[in-house]
Amino acid sequence: GAVVSQHPSWVICKSGTSVKIECRSLDFQATTMFWYRQFPKQSLMLMATSNEGSKATYEQGVEKDKFLINHASLTLSTLTVTSAHPEDSSFYICSARVRSQSYTDTQYFGPGTRLTVL
Amino acid sequence: AQSVTQLDSQVPVFEEAPVELRCNYSSSVSVYLFWYVQYPNQGLQLLLKYLSGSTLVKGINGFEAEFNKSQTSFHLRKPSVHISDTAEYFCAVSDGGSQGNLIFGKGTKLSVKP
Repeated sequence: GAVVSQHPSWVICKSGTSVKIECRSLDFQATTMFWYRQFPKQSLMLMATSNEGSKATYEQGVEKDKFLINHASLTLSTLTVTSAHPEDSSFYICSARVRSQSYTDTQYFGPGTRLTVL
Repeated sequence: AQSVTQLDSQVPVFEEAPVELRCNYSSSVSVYLFWYVQYPNQGLQLLLKYLSGSTLVKGINGFEAEFNKSQTSFHLRKPSVHISDTAEYFCAVSDGGSQGNLIFGKGTKLSVKP
């Protein structure tokens, strides 16, 4: 089946530093990747939608200058949390939708990245 | 705008008992409905989805869900649960728009006890 990986699985950083999270589709090409944020005991909140070769579409309330998304290829999207602060600590999850399939088709999710900002 | 409500944040059950996880949605347009499962420290895995057709949808691991338009519900059921079913379950709705974005409920933690 379709596999999506994320790296790193967890990261601890100091306040003010930047952190990059990678999302890769391992055995398929994904024209669209999604980035979610999940707070403890809360639902997944969509942060942005990333299409290969174009700028990401951010959801309302998500700072595009703080959460930089790059979708450079059909198998890789990156999320960079710039100038991280403790309130950015969260579980970040990506998903990828298989190329050429219906927009109602399955999103395949990565295992998530736990970010802790000290 | 769509929204999803999962009425129970936690559902404890004994092994081999039946279980129902409730999900209600609100939408002014046609919807596509999904159930995902998240095991500890893992990503989300699709259990089943409703796009159209039969309102009873069968998924993996013995789960099924029924789409009820009049009650705007999409409850998840399993007749006999196993310890391995212990996980977080998320109901989601998509408006089927150009991006097919998913809107998730807050999740239900299913705990299966021996």
